[in-house]
Amino acid sequence: GDSVTQMEGPVTLSEEAFLTINCTYTATGYPSLFWYVQYPGEGLQLLLKATKADDKGSNKGFEATYRKETTSFHLEKGSVQVSDSAVYFCALNSGGSNYKLTFGKGTLLTVNP
Amino acid sequence: EAGVTQFPSHSVIEKGQTVTLRCDPISGHDNLYWYRRVMGKEIKFLLHFVKESKQDESGMPNNRFLAERTGGTYSTLKVQPAELEDSGVYFCASSPRLWGGTYEQYFGPGTRLTVT
Repeated sequence: GDSVTQMEGPVTLSEEAFLTINCTYTATGYPSLFWYVQYPGEGLQLLLKATKADDKGSNKGFEATYRKETTSFHLEKGSVQVSDSAVYFCALNSGGSNYKLTFGKGTLLTVNP
Repeated sequence: EAGVTQFPSHSVIEKGQTVTLRCDPISGHDNLYWYRRVMGKEIKFLLHFVKESKQDESGMPNNRFLAERTGGTYSTLKVQPAELEDSGVYFCASSPRLWGGTYEQYFGPGTRLTVT
């Protein structure tokens, strides 16, 4: 079945540091890949997505590239801010008639000033 | 436009009691999903409604869980009787009618359920 593995953290960085959160997946078919973010006290928000191989999703300075050959979708940001502190979830949807999302365990990111 | 809302935000109940969680999706969204995150684990899919019909309930853990979506608007998830392992955060999400392609699922803030 489908599965997502992401680095569990917690990850603690100083402001302006470079961020990478690794995500790899196993899926049938041709999945779409997502990063969701949950800020404290809020629901999950879609951060970015990619629907086919070599697509790059980007938003708010975050980027992730759909790598079919390595089954990966690593999240990166060049310079994190305190306001980026949140839990980040990698997820996939294997498409077709299957609309459910399969999530990784989440990575807690804390950015210190 | 109002987002997905969930009620209550927190619920603490004793083992054996009944709890009903409610989700109001974004107006006009035909698709409604329930997910659950047990502490320290993945967010796991529970079920998917298309309007009032259950499209996929493969993630429902057992028959103590009952989900309904009467009239295709809001949905309820009842746990009866609750067990300790039901503790976690229950998320609801909705998305527009799916014609193909990938539609974003919009999530609510979740209901934190604690069974003691």
